[in-house]
Amino acid sequence: GAVVSQHPSRVICKSGTSVKIECRSLDFQATTMFWYRQFPKQSLMLMATSNEGSKATYEQGVEKDKFLINHASLTLSTLTVTSAHPEDSSFYICSARGGMDTEAFFGQGTRLTVV
Amino acid sequence: GQNIDQPTEMTATEGAIVQINCTYQTSGFNGLFWYQQHAGEAPTFLSYNVLDGLEEKGRFSSFLSRSKGYSYLLLKELQMKDSASYLCAVMDSNYQLIWGAGTKLIIKP
Repeated sequence: GAVVSQHPSRVICKSGTSVKIECRSLDFQATTMFWYRQFPKQSLMLMATSNEGSKATYEQGVEKDKFLINHASLTLSTLTVTSAHPEDSSFYICSARGGMDTEAFFGQGTRLTVV
Repeated sequence: GQNIDQPTEMTATEGAIVQINCTYQTSGFNGLFWYQQHAGEAPTFLSYNVLDGLEEKGRFSSFLSRSKGYSYLLLKELQMKDSASYLCAVMDSNYQLIWGAGTKLIIKP
């Protein structure tokens, strides 16, 4: 299958700082990228959907000013958690797909711990 | 509303067969996906069904009945490494993925 690379895999940051997570599609052009967060023992929760070159669509309850998403190219999307707090500690996962009706491939995930 | 139902947890024995069911009610249908997720890792793609019937891929098979809003994932010759959560997801009319809560599969020797 296609490869999606997510970086970093783990990050620990201090409360109040910002963290940027990168998601790259390595061997295909990702017209759409998705960002999820997952709390322990829970299912994936979609945070936002981004299409290349346009603003991300955020799910209800997700603060767009806190979780900044940029999808500037067909192979790269970034999620920046601004002014992180301990409650933002979670597993963040990106996925990407090349077409509307194709499967989505997932990055390795980023475990964020805010101390 | 949109809803995906799958059992929370299942237990099976190494070498046996297990069937994980998924029922769905969504606004439109553009395919059903099964993903495997090991603890602490991101999901990996297992199968995609858009037409009725059975799709076989090695030890794993996936079945779909659109009229019944029903799918199952069948795992044969279970191995200890199959212990994971199995996520059912449906693509709705807007091509958005609606996720089930996942089924935690425990394999015992």
